Amino acid sequence: QVQLQESGPGLVKPSETLSLSCTVSGGSMSGYYWSWIRKPPGKGLEWVGHVYSSGSANYNPSLNSRVTISVDTSKNQLSLKLRSVTAADTAVYYCARMGYGDVRHFQVWGQGTLVTVSS
Amino acid sequence: EIVLTQSPGTLSLSPGERATLSCRASQSVSSSYLAWYQQKPGQAPRLLIYGASNRATGIPDRFSGSGSGTDFTLTISRLEPEDFAVYYCQQYGNSPLLTFGPGTKVDIK
Repeated sequence: QVQLQESGPGLVKPSETLSLSCTVSGGSMSGYYWSWIRKPPGKGLEWVGHVYSSGSANYNPSLNSRVTISVDTSKNQLSLKLRSVTAADTAVYYCARMGYGDVRHFQVWGQGTLVTVSS
Repeated sequence: EIVLTQSPGTLSLSPGERATLSCRASQSVSSSYLAWYQQKPGQAPRLLIYGASNRATGIPDRFSGSGSGTDFTLTISRLEPEDFAVYYCQQYGNSPLLTFGPGTKVDIK
């Protein structure tokens, strides 16, 4: 059974870069889309972007200029970099996997990690 | 840009009652790419319904989804205590490529 585990700093200073990793265990990354989704306190879910196992990525236009999502299938890891963060980027960040093939909903989720942007 | 609107924002019901949650899109959504999730405090979202009407593995049959085009519905036939949570719809394929609705909170009356 595939499991996802997010990791990274819980506190990031304004204007710096938020960097998170997601380690995939129990399965291969090949053939799937891998996403980052966030949930600010008291708000709903927001898709940050996704990357296919080949490395091709798509991002939410609202974050496009600041975000990079990459995958390292040899290490079974997904990465997120969000530049020039502000307090508005404070959120629980989840990594998630879509299904195989033409499946565009999230079947597997990590537990999430809280990132606070504050000086 | 597609916008998903969920109504009501909050639904106050008692266990055993029927819950009807709406998800309306500002543009047509392929039924294949409309999903519903349940989220409880401190937990990751859980997939309930995909393809507008298909229950995910392990989801009780009191949960059902319906709709097409711009109007979709999640129905919980008889609320159990564990069903009180926030529910999100999600679409894929429009611009932005993937969006979630703002959520409907189902709380205990």
